[in-house]
Amino acid sequence: ETGVTQTPRHLVMGMTNKKSLKCEQHLGHNAMYWYKQSAKKPLELMFVYSLEERVENNSVPSRFSPECPNSSHLFLHLHTLQPEDSALYLCASSQEGLAGGPTDTQYFGPGTRLTVL
Amino acid sequence: AQTVTQSQPEMSVQEAETVTLSCTYDTSESDYYLFWYKQPPSRQMILVIRQEAYKQQNATENRFSVNFQKAAKSFSLKISDSQLGDAAMYFCAYRSAEGGSEKLVFGKGTKLTVNP
Repeated sequence: ETGVTQTPRHLVMGMTNKKSLKCEQHLGHNAMYWYKQSAKKPLELMFVYSLEERVENNSVPSRFSPECPNSSHLFLHLHTLQPEDSALYLCASSQEGLAGGPTDTQYFGPGTRLTVL
Repeated sequence: AQTVTQSQPEMSVQEAETVTLSCTYDTSESDYYLFWYKQPPSRQMILVIRQEAYKQQNATENRFSVNFQKAAKSFSLKISDSQLGDAAMYFCAYRSAEGGSEKLVFGKGTKLTVNP
C-alpha cells in the first residue's frame, strides 16, 4: 500500500523531546486526518484538514500541533508529551465533495508507533 | 452524538467456514455511510466494504457481505470461505452524510482469528 505513507514507522522519545510525524498522500485527495489508536479504545479523531484548512480539532492537548502545508502533506509536531500519549498515530486522506455533495472513503497510512518514556 | 458498538471483542473461525461480525450504531440522522475496515498485524487499515444508508440493497465485495438493518441500526459483516489472511482486527465505522462532516466514528474493534 503506497497511497498514504507515514514516517517514521516507530518513534521513541523522552517527555522533553520535540519530534514530528510526517504523512504524505499520493492519491490527489483534498482532506487529511490524524487519528490516535490506543489499546482497547476506539480510534480517536484528532485533527481534520480540508483544502489545507483545519476544520476540526477534537479537543486535543496543545502539546500536539498539526501542520498542513499543502494538500499532499500533513505533519504532527510533538513536544513535552506524556507517557499516556504512547499510541499508534494514523494518518488518513479522502476526497471530499462540495457542501451537500458526496463524500468519499478515508484511506489510511500504516501508522507511527510512538512510545513516550 | 453518534456511537458505534462492536459487542464481540474477539471471534474465531475455521478456515473455509463463515463468520459474522456484529456492529450496531446509534444516530438520529437518516442519511449516512457505514464502513468495515480491516487492520492486519502489519497495522495498515484497509477498507473492506462500504454501505450507503439510503440504499436498501446490502453491499457485497467478493467473500465479504453486509447485513444492513436500518431500522434496527445494525450493520453486520459476513465473511464467507474464511482464509488465513482474513485474520485481523475489524472495525465498524459510521460517517454522517451531511455536507461538511468528515468525521468517522469507530467501534472498538473485533479481533478475528482464523484457525487452519
